[in-house]
Amino acid sequence: AQSVTQPDIHITVSEGASLELRCNYSYGATPYLFWYVQSPGQGLQLLLKYFSGDTLVQGIKGFEAEFKRSQSSFNLRKPSVHWSDAAEYFCAVALDTGRRALTFGSGTRLQVQP
Amino acid sequence: GAVVSQHPSWVICKSGTSVKIECRSLDFQATTMFWYRQFPKQSLMLMATSNEGSKATYEQGVEKDKFLINHASLTLSTLTVTSAHPEDSSFYICSAPAETNYGYTFGSGTRLTVV
Repeated sequence: AQSVTQPDIHITVSEGASLELRCNYSYGATPYLFWYVQSPGQGLQLLLKYFSGDTLVQGIKGFEAEFKRSQSSFNLRKPSVHWSDAAEYFCAVALDTGRRALTFGSGTRLQVQP
Repeated sequence: GAVVSQHPSWVICKSGTSVKIECRSLDFQATTMFWYRQFPKQSLMLMATSNEGSKATYEQGVEKDKFLINHASLTLSTLTVTSAHPEDSSFYICSAPAETNYGYTFGSGTRLTVV
């Protein structure tokens, strides 16, 4: 069955430390891949997306993600976390962005310690 | 570009009443609109897909008679929660394919509380 997995429900990092959020997918073909961030009670903000080409994708707010076909992964990284990065992060995939809805992972809640 | 305006942002209603949520595409034509529901501390789950001029497609387990979706024009899709109950309290978000960058654009969400 097709699925998106975010293994880490909750991650706590210290401000200034590096961050990596994991995402794995299980699809017959390489899907379109997205990372979104959601602050409490707010809507979704797109951090970055991968459709094809360079497997290292740069996004907003200093985030980047690397697509690894061999591992069916699309992990999100940031070299130095800021307190304002505390939020819920969702990995999402779609097989066809024109007609198919996104399928979201279960999310990872990021807490940032001072 | 590719903005979806969702209203209301929050609503409180009494059990048994109906609530309508609107999503308007402001600067593009949304032939398709996806409706998601998000319970507290959970992920977004697709409820249904609406297509302009045709009946919506509902995901398994979603009651089509309870969650009425109308997509009568290329710029407006609505979700009506009929005979709302406290268990319908949730965050509802609409989303449309963004034609310009092959991504998706999301409404800001509606927090529904049924008392």
